[in-house]
Amino acid sequence: NAGVTQTPKFQVLKTGQSMTLQCAQDMNHEYMSWYRQDPGMGLRLIHYSVGAGITDQGEVPNGYNVSRSTTEDFPLRLLSAAPSQTSVYFCASSYLDRGYGYTFGSGTRLTVV
Amino acid sequence: GESVGLHLPTLSVQEGDNSIINCAYSNSASDYFIWYKQESGKGPQFIIDIRSNMDKRQGQRVTVLLNKTVKHLSLQIAATQPGDSAVYFCAEEKDAGNMLTFGGGTRLMVKP
Repeated sequence: NAGVTQTPKFQVLKTGQSMTLQCAQDMNHEYMSWYRQDPGMGLRLIHYSVGAGITDQGEVPNGYNVSRSTTEDFPLRLLSAAPSQTSVYFCASSYLDRGYGYTFGSGTRLTVV
Repeated sequence: GESVGLHLPTLSVQEGDNSIINCAYSNSASDYFIWYKQESGKGPQFIIDIRSNMDKRQGQRVTVLLNKTVKHLSLQIAATQPGDSAVYFCAEEKDAGNMLTFGGGTRLMVKP
């Protein structure tokens, strides 16, 4: 049982490049989400999904796309990277039933130059 | 917009003392609250949660108190240890599977 696995751990992009951050969980969680965390700040929700084929926008969705083709995977795509997207990105998953909290991955540190 | 916030950005306590971390929330429709601990370079780690139909919940060395009248949440850590040093976040949720909104975080520093 690996929990929530994020890849890569570190990435440097040039402005305008695109890339996909990977997130996979093996706990059969219905709910998956992506957050970004800027220095000294809390986490802000980018996109989330309550099940395969269903996605929705969070607080800061602009510049990001997601899809949920399987229960296990929830990739985050940066369409055209901008310096403002420099951040640490966390993927989280949970059961829809309350009481289990959310399990977070270890994060991807992204720098856009 | 509605948000979750914290009163104290940094809290310094002596090892062995009790710690209290506070959080104010503004969304009266929120019905589920979670406290997370985040150590440097790691993802947030679930500590304890509470539903809005409760006002207190206890775990191992931790207690969460919820005061819906004044929209206030607190995390109490008993006999604080050096390993408790981290940033603590409160988070709120309105509906299951909906948006989990985080506060800005409080850094807890434990002095030996």
